[in-house]
Amino acid sequence: AQRVTQPEKLLSVFKGAPVELKCNYSYSGSPELFWYVQYSRQRLQLLLRHISRESIKGFTADLNKGETSFHLKKPFAQEEDSAMYYCALRASNFGNEKLTFGTGTRLTIIP
Amino acid sequence: KAGVTQTPRYLIKTRGQQVTLSCSPISGHRSVSWYQQTPGQGLQFLFEYFSETQRNKGNFPGRFSGRQFSNSRSEMNVSTLELGDSALYLCASSVTSGGTNEQYFGPGTRLTVT
Repeated sequence: AQRVTQPEKLLSVFKGAPVELKCNYSYSGSPELFWYVQYSRQRLQLLLRHISRESIKGFTADLNKGETSFHLKKPFAQEEDSAMYYCALRASNFGNEKLTFGTGTRLTIIP
Repeated sequence: KAGVTQTPRYLIKTRGQQVTLSCSPISGHRSVSWYQQTPGQGLQFLFEYFSETQRNKGNFPGRFSGRQFSNSRSEMNVSTLELGDSALYLCASSVTSGGTNEQYFGPGTRLTVT
């Protein structure tokens, strides 16, 4: 069974401070991990995925298989980062598009 | 490219009725997935269709069903509606590229059951 845990429902950070959104997963196979973001009154959209190892909008996330974690980080928070963030897992077998989501973290950046 | 579209955007139904929701994927995308989003349970996977066939299914009762047409458009049906079916229903389309997928979500259909 697949499970994604985001321990923080709410997170408030001052503008310019570092941000870390936690995500832990449980899966016996080799997973693909994603971060999705939902800004106010917008649709859910992909922020980044571990396979591409890229930085989007200053955010990075590293898959740590030993700790089964995929934490999202940004060194300096900006007000436009305020949004709902979801960590998601996909089993990496061909033909499986199912995403298992965490419950989400609402990030608020304090000006 | 136009994004994923869902119709209707809002729906109010009475307990016991049935409802059909529609999803038009991004052109060229052959996979369509459906998710239910509620404050209590978060985002939960309902099912996924690929080339008119259900390829994956979540843990929902048989009252929830779907189908996909030859143009990849998909419909989701919920019969005998219950109050607990009130939720935002999201559709996502995807295409696999380079061994991984990227799912694009629609704006959702907000279903209220009274």
